[in-house]
Amino acid sequence: QQQVKQSPQSLIVQKGGISIINCAYENTAFDYFPWYQQFPGKGPALLIAIRPDVSEKKEGRFTISFNKSAKQFSLHIMDSQPGDSATYFCAASRETSGSRLTFGEGTQLTVNP
Amino acid sequence: SAVISQKPSRDICQRGTSLTIQCQVDSQVTMMFWYRQQPGQSLTLIATANQGSEATYESGFVIDKFPISRPNLTFSTLTVSNMSPEDSSIYLCSGGTGVGYTFGSGTRLTVV
Repeated sequence: QQQVKQSPQSLIVQKGGISIINCAYENTAFDYFPWYQQFPGKGPALLIAIRPDVSEKKEGRFTISFNKSAKQFSLHIMDSQPGDSATYFCAASRETSGSRLTFGEGTQLTVNP
Repeated sequence: SAVISQKPSRDICQRGTSLTIQCQVDSQVTMMFWYRQQPGQSLTLIATANQGSEATYESGFVIDKFPISRPNLTFSTLTVSNMSPEDSSIYLCSGGTGVGYTFGSGTRLTVV
């Protein structure tokens, strides 16, 4: 079964802290792992993505860590800001044209000022 | 990446009626998808909209209830037919070429 399991369901962090969201997948055929950020009333927006040939990818305050052997990947938000408060979804797919995304359950992040 | 415009942004409909949601992409894309999202929950794929042929539906979704059209590489519609209150949800269009799909802002549908 092609599932992506995400945790925690909700997360509260103080401003300046580190937010960590974890995901685990089952299908070893997956080779593309994006993270989406969704604000209320908006569609999900692609935040950062990684392919399994690297163990880490960093873009600004956002970092994906990838553990291929454990079939796990995580999103780290450094120096979390109140503006980062949103719902975050991990996803996975095969990097072939036409491949659908399989989404995690989502994490509602709240960053307190 | 492609920019997706979706309309209407919201609607309140009577049960038994149908609503057609439009999705316009600012560039040609290979893939277009339709999702449903309950508030506070993840995205559920309804179908893949195929250009020039019938859409590919996921388990639990049927063409008679959710007919989809995709006449070209920049446009698609989703119709929610014979609506009931259980169809109240957010419907999202997504598209792209390769990976890294983008999403529209969604249509918030309330059926009364």
